[in-house]
Amino acid sequence: AQSVAQPEDQVNVAEGNPLTVKCTYSVSGNPYLFWYVQYPNRGLQFLLKYITGDNLVKGSYGFEAEFNKSQTSFHLKKPSALVSDSALYFCAVRDDTGRRALTFGSGTRLQVQP
Amino acid sequence: DSGVTQTPKHLITATGQRVTLRCSPRSGDLSVYWYQQSLDQGLQFLIQYYNGEERAKGNILERFSAQQFPDLHSELNLSSLELGDSALYFCASSGRTGGGTEAFFGQGTRLTVV
Repeated sequence: AQSVAQPEDQVNVAEGNPLTVKCTYSVSGNPYLFWYVQYPNRGLQFLLKYITGDNLVKGSYGFEAEFNKSQTSFHLKKPSALVSDSALYFCAVRDDTGRRALTFGSGTRLQVQP
Repeated sequence: DSGVTQTPKHLITATGQRVTLRCSPRSGDLSVYWYQQSLDQGLQFLIQYYNGEERAKGNILERFSAQQFPDLHSELNLSSLELGDSALYFCASSGRTGGGTEAFFGQGTRLTVV
């Protein structure tokens, strides 16, 4: 079985400040980890992924995420938040053992205040 | 634009009815996934097809079925609809040769059962 936990329903941050959206996962085998963003009335947009290699991965719109195997975490970060970053963020995991569908976390709403 | 097309965008129907949701994957993608997004259940994986064959099954009700056709488009059939089936239904695709591991999502079909 595989699962994802996003412990915060909402994260509030002031524009220009750094942001972190937390994610922990559980999966058999090696994890494939993803972050997606959803704007109102839109589909999910791919932000970044970790498959293997460097623990810090960079993605779209200045976002990055840090993979920590010992803590089974994959937190999303951005050095300086923009009001336009306000959206719903989903962490997802997929195993490499054959079942290739993504399991999503419950989502974290990011609110960036001007 | 993710390249994944879903129709219709909105659907309103009565309880007990049957509807068909359609998905055209990105060009070259062999895998199609269906997800249901509701307020209380989050993003739930329903089913995956790969090159016409069912690959993985998630929390899909027996009243629901799907198929993938030779041209790789997919349809999700929902029957004996109940009020609780009201949700946003997403299709995603992945798996083109030389492509990455991430899935790309359509904009969804919003189903309202009245």
